[in-house]
Amino acid sequence: AQSVTQLGSHVSVSEGALVLLRCNYSSSVPPYLFWYVQYPNQGLQLLLKYTSAATLVKGINGFEAEFKKSETSFHLTKPSAHMSDAAEYFCAVSDPGNQFYFGTGTSLTVIP
Amino acid sequence: DSGVTQTPKHLITATGQRVTLRCSPRSGDLSVYWYQQSLDQGLQFLIQYYNGEERAKGNILERFSAQQFPDLHSELNLSSLELGDSALYFCASSPPGATRANVLTFGAGSRLTVL
Repeated sequence: AQSVTQLGSHVSVSEGALVLLRCNYSSSVPPYLFWYVQYPNQGLQLLLKYTSAATLVKGINGFEAEFKKSETSFHLTKPSAHMSDAAEYFCAVSDPGNQFYFGTGTSLTVIP
Repeated sequence: DSGVTQTPKHLITATGQRVTLRCSPRSGDLSVYWYQQSLDQGLQFLIQYYNGEERAKGNILERFSAQQFPDLHSELNLSSLELGDSALYFCASSPPGATRANVLTFGAGSRLTVL
């Protein structure tokens, strides 16, 4: 079975500070992992995905995530937060049947 | 614009009523997924269709039903509405093929308010 756990439902950072959003996964097969972002009043957009190639995955808007098998983690980072990064972030894992399992989301607030 | 079109964007109705939400997937995508997003339950998977056939079912209530038509658009029917059905309903589509690298492309959602 596949699942993801996002630690911290709310994260606040200062503008210019490091963004770190945590995601741990559970998967009975080698995982395919995704980060999605949801801006207010919008649908979810793909930030990046890990599909068993490079462990460090670069996404849009300066975000990246590192797959760590030993820690079963896929944390999302951005070196310097921008006001426009304020949004809800979802981690997800897919199963061999192409079903997606989403975490409960982390709301990111950026403080000016 | 993600290429996934959902209508209506907003819908206000009363308890006991029935509504239909519509989704047109991205061009070329054969799979359609429906999700419900509410404040207390997060993003819940409801149902998936692939090329007109039901592929997987999630936490979909018996009062809810869906179908995918030959032109690949999908409709989610919600009946005997209750206050707790107020939520954002998202449709997502994905390309053909069973590769796990397929990503979901989401529509902008339909916000349902039941009064």
